Amino acid sequence: DGGITQSPKYLFRKEGQNVTLSCEQNLNHDAMYWYRQDPGQGLRLIYYSQIVNDFQKGDIAEGYSVSREKKESFPLTVTSAQKNPTAFYLCASRGQGGPYGYTFGSGTRLTVV
Amino acid sequence: KQEVTQIPAALSVPEGENLVLNCSFTDSAIYNLQWFRQDPGKGLTSLLLIQSSQREQTSGRLNASLDKSSGRSTLYIAASQPGDSATYLCAVTSGGSYIPTFGRGTSLIVHP
Repeated sequence: DGGITQSPKYLFRKEGQNVTLSCEQNLNHDAMYWYRQDPGQGLRLIYYSQIVNDFQKGDIAEGYSVSREKKESFPLTVTSAQKNPTAFYLCASRGQGGPYGYTFGSGTRLTVV
Repeated sequence: KQEVTQIPAALSVPEGENLVLNCSFTDSAIYNLQWFRQDPGKGLTSLLLIQSSQREQTSGRLNASLDKSSGRSTLYIAASQPGDSATYLCAVTSGGSYIPTFGRGTSLIVHP
C-alpha cells in the first residue's frame, strides 16, 4: 500500500545534539511538508518542498534544516540551535496542483533528555 | 492571511447522538478543504476532501459540507460511537503555494 513512513516513532535527544527524522513516501507525490505539533498550539509548518532539490522555510524554520535529494525522501534535522525541540513532528505529502489532498505519516515524538 | 477557526474546541456526548463540528475560514478563495481525524499520539487520517466546486462529500456516517460564500464547513457525524472519540481538524488550502492552513481542532469524546 502507498503511504508515508516516518521513523523513528520515538526519539530522544541530548542537549547540544543534532538529530535527524526520516520521512519516506511511495505515493509519487511532488510536494512534502514538515509540521510541528505542540499541545494547544495546533500544527505549525517548519519546511516544505514542492520539487526535488528545492525547499522553502515555513513559519518556524529556525533551528531546523532539510534536504530533498530524492522525490521519495524529505529528512528533517533538528539542530542544537533549536532550543525547545520537544514536540510531535509530522510529515505530509500531496500531489502537484489544486485538487489533491494531503497524506500524513504517523509522526515522530522527539524528547530532549 | 487565511485563518481557520474550529468550534467547539471540545465536545463530550453520549453514544448515538448526531454531531455537527464547525470550521470557519476568512478567505473564501480556496482550492479545497480537508477534514482529518487524529487519535492521541498518532498522525492525521484523512476523512473527507471537498474541492472548491463541490458542496458536500459523504463517507459512511460522515458528511462534510462547504459554503465558500459564508466561509464555513461542517462535519456531520451520524449515530456517534465511542470509536469516534478523537480530535477532528480541518485544513483549508488556498493561495498559489498550496500550503494548508489548519484549525486547532475539536476534541470529541463519545461515551457509552
